[in-house]
Amino acid sequence: DSGVTQTPKHLITATGQRVTLRCSPRSGDLSVYWYQQSLDQGLQFLIQYYNGEERAKGNILERFSAQQFPDLHSELNLSSLELGDSALYFCASSVGRLNSPLHFGNGTRLTVT
Amino acid sequence: DQQVKQNSPSLSVQEGRISILNCDYTNSMFDYFLWYKKYPAEGPTFLISISSIKDKNEDGRFTVFLNKSAKHLSLHIVPSQPGDSAVYFCAASAVDSNYQLIWGAGTKLIIKP
Repeated sequence: DSGVTQTPKHLITATGQRVTLRCSPRSGDLSVYWYQQSLDQGLQFLIQYYNGEERAKGNILERFSAQQFPDLHSELNLSSLELGDSALYFCASSVGRLNSPLHFGNGTRLTVT
Repeated sequence: DQQVKQNSPSLSVQEGRISILNCDYTNSMFDYFLWYKKYPAEGPTFLISISSIKDKNEDGRFTVFLNKSAKHLSLHIVPSQPGDSAVYFCAASAVDSNYQLIWGAGTKLIIKP
């Protein structure tokens, strides 16, 4: 158990809809990362937060947004969903020091129909 | 543009033998490399890392070798055990990617009894 909790585990929705994915980091970790993994692909970095502030942005679409709340949990909002957004979305957390290992949740599988 | 490549989608190894997983990279600025292991329905788990100032790092049955001139790293597992059956991802970071991890697509390791 990594200590990182992601909800929900599965999500099925229709094109054009909006969903929110939730992540609670490991106790003591200040940094939260969001990744997308499409079928048979590596993990694509979306965005990182550190102690409530956005620290780095990757290949995150404008239709996607995220935030980290004062209690350090994070939410990833995906809107105007398209079929191609179907993927596994992972949240990871770390203490935030350079090159500190990431601890991953078990992911949310999003299916857009 | 795949900066981190794992060219073998899968690898099958007899239990007790050595498993060697390979990873190639193109960005000479990468200075930190990590291996993660992923079981089905779980998030990736950190396994071992290596800094570019070293050419070898060992942790129990796991050894990572780095060949900077060839831009190649490998993970050796000796001896291989059934519980090692998983997908293995290599990842790399560099100052010019703001130290965000760039991931390979993964290699599925199957340990045969």
